[in-house]
Amino acid sequence: GAVVSQHPSWVICKSGTSVKIECRSLDFQATTMFWYRQFPKQSLMLMATSNEGSKATYEQGVEKDKFLINHASLTLSTLTVTSAHPEDSSFYICSASVLSTNYGYTFGSGTRLTVV
Amino acid sequence: AQSVTQLDSHVSVSEGTPVLLRCNYSSSYSPSLFWYVQHPNKGLQLLLKYTSAATLVKGINGFEAEFKKSETSFHLTKPSAHMSDAAEYFCVVSGGEGGSYIPTFGRGTSLIVHP
Repeated sequence: GAVVSQHPSWVICKSGTSVKIECRSLDFQATTMFWYRQFPKQSLMLMATSNEGSKATYEQGVEKDKFLINHASLTLSTLTVTSAHPEDSSFYICSASVLSTNYGYTFGSGTRLTVV
Repeated sequence: AQSVTQLDSHVSVSEGTPVLLRCNYSSSYSPSLFWYVQHPNKGLQLLLKYTSAATLVKGINGFEAEFKKSETSFHLTKPSAHMSDAAEYFCVVSGGEGGSYIPTFGRGTSLIVHP
């Protein structure tokens, strides 16, 4: 149980285009989803926290207009990188959780974004 | 604020020898603690978690960790390393302040296993 599916696993796009990454909880309803960015050989940096049906809470320094997060249902959250640039190239990972239960955090398999 | 410190950025062991990955935490409330493993270009997999039950927690692949409140530690151990254990390991704390369950990550420890 507690599977999170993240798609695509990798994507290459041209500068200026937008890319959407999906994160789905397959066998549970996720109260909250987290989006992380990971640079090579570094830890995960929390970008934003999203709760179903409400606006995402972005961490300081993360551009909300560039990284659009939508959490329309208890099983789906999406991250859209708008007008991507090479510096947006990174590994993006989502995580889903049922809060208040210390259920733990289940992570997606990650998306390797390369902007050329 | 809650925080977690992974004391070693790299740990190198020989196959068949014990593994010790150190983690210390800081939290105002009784925390939940987790260890995750990440293989290259993969997502994170939960190894084990502590949520105020037994202080010695057994996880997958022979790993275990002991919650020591007096030492604010949650070190990860394994009696005998296997080549497939080579990966990045993250210690995570949550359930701290003000009801926030946003997880805080350690910087990670890279485990290197020599044949």
